[in-house]
Amino acid sequence: SQQGEEDPQALSIQEGENATMNCSYKTSINNLQWYRQNSGRGLVHLILIRSNEREKHSGRLRVTLDTSKKSSSLLITASRAADTASYFCATSGATNKLIFGTGTLLAVQP
Amino acid sequence: AAGVIQSPRHLIKEKRETATLKCYPIPRHDTVYWYQQGPGQDPQFLISFYEKMQSDKGSIPDRFSAQQFSDYHSELNMSSLELGDSALYFCASSFRTNLHSGNTIYFGEGSWLTVV
Repeated sequence: SQQGEEDPQALSIQEGENATMNCSYKTSINNLQWYRQNSGRGLVHLILIRSNEREKHSGRLRVTLDTSKKSSSLLITASRAADTASYFCATSGATNKLIFGTGTLLAVQP
Repeated sequence: AAGVIQSPRHLIKEKRETATLKCYPIPRHDTVYWYQQGPGQDPQFLISFYEKMQSDKGSIPDRFSAQQFSDYHSELNMSSLELGDSALYFCASSFRTNLHSGNTIYFGEGSWLTVV
């Protein structure tokens, strides 16, 4: 990965359970974003958290950011089968481009 | 709402051939980014343009070139194709390059390139 690692690389849960994915990055950032990608499809923006924020919510999504540990987590509550996808974190820092992590493949079993 | 349009969606080429991918950004977006995503890999930044000028460069091979035109659409030209170039190529756009302040970039559905 150009930036960091995501953990776990794959996650399988039952519908209704919560899913937590973690992302670590290497360089200083201005903000961190989470994207979702269905197999072979485009990347859909989910949520953005700025470097001076610690937590952000959007619907069933909760994102945390710990700049001291250079890590972020994405929590999806009450998961649904339709949440099955790959989830990527991406950071932007001194340069105006997004650098992606390796992604977590989430499978939600009905 | 209009999204980022990429064409073609699928492309099959032979080794050593040339391929051109096109990207039409969201209206009024002035910045375009190109990413390459190999099978099971994360998207890798290739190159970006702001107001028709190259603004940043990533891991783009010398065999590849890109430009942004006066109507803000962009084209990625790939020559002397190799098997390893087989990937999903994404274009994305944003308004201004100002990702520092949290501008979101929006991705197209991607162009599948298969080199045989």
